Amino acid sequence: EAGVAQSPRYKIIEKRQSVAFWCNPISGHATLYWYQQILGQGPKLLIQFQNNGVVDDSQLPKDRFSAERLKGVDSTLKIQPAKLEDSAVYLCASSGRGRGPSYEKLFFGSGTQLSVL
Amino acid sequence: QKEVEQNSGPLSVPEGAIASLNCTYSDRVSQSFFWYRQYSGKSPELIMSIYSNGDKEDGRFTAQLNKASQYVSLLIRDSQPSDSATYLCAVNNSGYSTLTFGKGTMLLVSP
Repeated sequence: EAGVAQSPRYKIIEKRQSVAFWCNPISGHATLYWYQQILGQGPKLLIQFQNNGVVDDSQLPKDRFSAERLKGVDSTLKIQPAKLEDSAVYLCASSGRGRGPSYEKLFFGSGTQLSVL
Repeated sequence: QKEVEQNSGPLSVPEGAIASLNCTYSDRVSQSFFWYRQYSGKSPELIMSIYSNGDKEDGRFTAQLNKASQYVSLLIRDSQPSDSATYLCAVNNSGYSTLTFGKGTMLLVSP
């Protein structure tokens, strides 16, 4: 079974530029998450999708970050314009269908390391 | 803001010793608790989950949960150098099944 796919693996941009990340979850997984992990810290949830609907985006800086999951499968996360403090690893994760313990086990992609100069 | 607290470490133990990692959480109604291991430069991977008070054992790993005291711990027996990594505690947020992660504890196992 293929895991969570993310691209690109690395991205270097200058501040005020825009950038987009792509994620394809494990086949059949209804829930998709975008996390931001700054060096030395734990992952911080940016947005959670259930199919193509948003469950939680309370920590997404909506003035500059946007995310979509139009067909309930793959997703894109965009930053426009980027700031220096956006330098981090952006992790995509997915989890399975339904409720209960298996629903909450996250499988992570390899992440995108973003450097904003 | 729901919080998950961990000592950042590093926690240094010799090979073969027991490593004890601790985590406290603020949301009293949290129901599910997870330990993820993250090697440097890699993504987190799930190693343990626990939902009920008490101990849960899986190989060399034991997770312990005490909901009254709002803490969860991870014991690693017979620690190996390959166990050297950052261990992230994660707690579900009631109502959304959204995980909140702690900052992680770095474990160093010396040969």
